[in-house]
Amino acid sequence: DIQLTQSPSSMSASLGDRVSLTCQSSQGIGNYLSWYQHKPGKPPKPMIYYATNLADGVPSRFSGSRSGSDYSLTISSLESEDTAIYYCLQYDEYPYTFGAGTKLELK
Amino acid sequence: EVQLQQSGAELVKPGASVKLSCKTSGYTFSNYYMSWLKQMPGQNIEWIGNIYGGNGGTGYNQKFKGKATLTVDKSSSTAYMDLSSLTSEDSAVYFCARAASWELGNWFAYWGQGTLVTVSS
Repeated sequence: DIQLTQSPSSMSASLGDRVSLTCQSSQGIGNYLSWYQHKPGKPPKPMIYYATNLADGVPSRFSGSRSGSDYSLTISSLESEDTAIYYCLQYDEYPYTFGAGTKLELK
Repeated sequence: EVQLQQSGAELVKPGASVKLSCKTSGYTFSNYYMSWLKQMPGQNIEWIGNIYGGNGGTGYNQKFKGKATLTVDKSSSTAYMDLSSLTSEDSAVYFCARAASWELGNWFAYWGQGTLVTVSS
C-alpha cells in the first residue's frame, strides 16, 4: 500500500501567518493527491484535488503544490476558521490511503 | 444540489451484523463511484472500498474483505454497506463519499454526514 507521511503532526500559528503542511508519498502517485479539512462532528471537506486545484467554494488563501513526491497545502494568511485537522489522500491506486493528519491550532 | 444522507447511529452486539445506508440525491446515481470510509475515535481515516452506481462493480481494501460488503439499489439511488461479525474494533464513524467525476478523478467531492457504529454488549 502507498504510505503518505504528513508533517508536522501538529502545529500552532497566529492569525495572519503563512502556514504550510506537507505530505510525502512512498511511491509515485503523479498528481493524484487531494487535501481535506476535518472539523469535529462534521465530515471532511475537500480543499484541493489533483495536487494543485482548488475545490469548489474553497477560499483563495488555500493553495496546493508539488515538488517530486512532496505535496504541500499552504494557507497564505491564517484565519480562525482554518483550525482543523488536515488530511492528504492519494487516489492513484487501490487501496486509496490517507495521511495521518496535521492538527492546526491557533497560537 | 448533491446530497448524501446516511442512516442513523447504531448500537450493535459483538458478533452481530449491521447494514448502513447512504441515500443520495441531486445527481445521476449510476454515473459515479461511491466509497465507504472508516474513522475510529482519534484515528486516521481508512478507505474500505468503492462501488460503481451503474453496474455495482466493487473494489475493496484487502483489509476489509470479508468484513464489509458494498451494494447499491439504483431504483432508490442508495448505497449500502454490510458489516459482519462485529467486534469492538469495528466501533467507528463510517462515511460514504462520492467520487468527483471521470474527468476530475476519484477524489471525494461529496460526503455523507457519517454514521456512528458502537459495538457493545
